[in-house]
Amino acid sequence: EVQLVESGGGFVQPGGSLRLSCTASGFTFSSYTMNWVRQAPGKGLEWVSYISSGSGVIYYADSVKGRFTISRDNAKNSLYLQMNSLRDEDTAVYYCARTRDAYNYWDYWGQGTLVTVSS
Amino acid sequence: SYELSQPLSVSVALGQTARITCGGNNIGNKNVHWYQQKPGQAPVLVIYRDSNRPSGIPERFSGSNSGNTATLTISRVQAGDEADYYCQVWDSSKGVFGGGTNLTVL
Repeated sequence: EVQLVESGGGFVQPGGSLRLSCTASGFTFSSYTMNWVRQAPGKGLEWVSYISSGSGVIYYADSVKGRFTISRDNAKNSLYLQMNSLRDEDTAVYYCARTRDAYNYWDYWGQGTLVTVSS
Repeated sequence: SYELSQPLSVSVALGQTARITCGGNNIGNKNVHWYQQKPGQAPVLVIYRDSNRPSGIPERFSGSNSGNTATLTISRVQAGDEADYYCQVWDSSKGVFGGGTNLTVL
């Protein structure tokens, strides 16, 4: 069974940093592209970042570029999101999601971890 | 940047057919994917590449895409289909979601 479990969310002040993790199981993690998607309270889904299976290709949404860094450790079946210079508008549930194929849709999602940025 | 537009809400009577649209410039030239999200839960893929259903998704869910509009159709709507539905494409190395449509079953 495919499972994605996020962790690392919490409360942080504006300007602070946080590192999210996503631990994968039930599939060959190193063979799949992964993404982070977020959802602000009461709002819609927003794609955040993409990383290829070997970390050679990385993309970011304009809203987080230069502040967030996506990475992965295939030996640990883990995906990460380092979030720096956090803003109020980064408050959201952050989901990791597995990319199914080159058409870039997401077939499995974690349960999400909540990040709250507030003074 | 590419934009997708969805109606905020759609209402349908139990057992009838719901159609949720997703508008975008020449969206018919893109691959459109649809997700269902129930309150407090993670999104679930219900349609990929315009009209394909993942395993486990009922045949009542179907999709089409042409011109400037993609459509998610849910036949014989059940109470359990009440949820938010999001369309999604991949454009210029970025993921793009529609704003989401809340489906209410009357």
